[in-house]
Amino acid sequence: AQTVTQSQPEMSVQEAETVTLSCTYDTSESDYYLFWYKQPPSRQMILVIRQEAYKQQNATENRFSVNFQKAAKSFSLKISDSQLGDAAMYFCAYRIALRDMRFGAGTRLTVKP
Amino acid sequence: NAGVTQTPKFQVLKTGQSMTLQCAQDMNHNSMYWYRQDPGMGLRLIYYSASEGTTDKGEVPNGYNVSRLNKREFSLRLESAAPSQTSVYFCASTPLPYNEQFFGPGTRLTVL
Repeated sequence: AQTVTQSQPEMSVQEAETVTLSCTYDTSESDYYLFWYKQPPSRQMILVIRQEAYKQQNATENRFSVNFQKAAKSFSLKISDSQLGDAAMYFCAYRIALRDMRFGAGTRLTVKP
Repeated sequence: NAGVTQTPKFQVLKTGQSMTLQCAQDMNHNSMYWYRQDPGMGLRLIYYSASEGTTDKGEVPNGYNVSRLNKREFSLRLESAAPSQTSVYFCASTPLPYNEQFFGPGTRLTVL
């Protein structure tokens, strides 16, 4: 069974500093996709970043980057220069091509001014 | 382009009542999904539809039925609501060949 584990229920960061959110997953598949979604208090799920498992290069989107360790089945999200608007729940998700997506339980990020 | 829309946004039901959650997308996506979100458990898949005319069970299908009315619309029905179905429900869709999912704004359902 596919499982996604986010070991940090809550994290806190000072504004302008860097924070890393952890995610591990369990799969026997070789072709899959990984995602980080952000859910602010509005409840809307917003895609932050995606990573294809066949790509060795870590994905980057502006202040957001990932550290993808395929052998270790680890997919952490780094947020640089944290802003107040980054405060939200963050969900790590895993998907085998064209099938359903499995989500972790989420990490609540607080940004302190 | 409204993306993925869901109605209603909030609903309160009594145990045993039935209702249908509506979802529509205007992005011409092939696949559509229904999830429920409970505290501390992330999102769990209820049902999905890989393409028009097909539906399949997800991780937690018991107590639910779905209909893929056409390519745009995918509805979720609770025939006899139970307090355990109190949750936030999300509809999502996926364009091929990409794999990220686009989500609706969610429906908060309370069953008393």
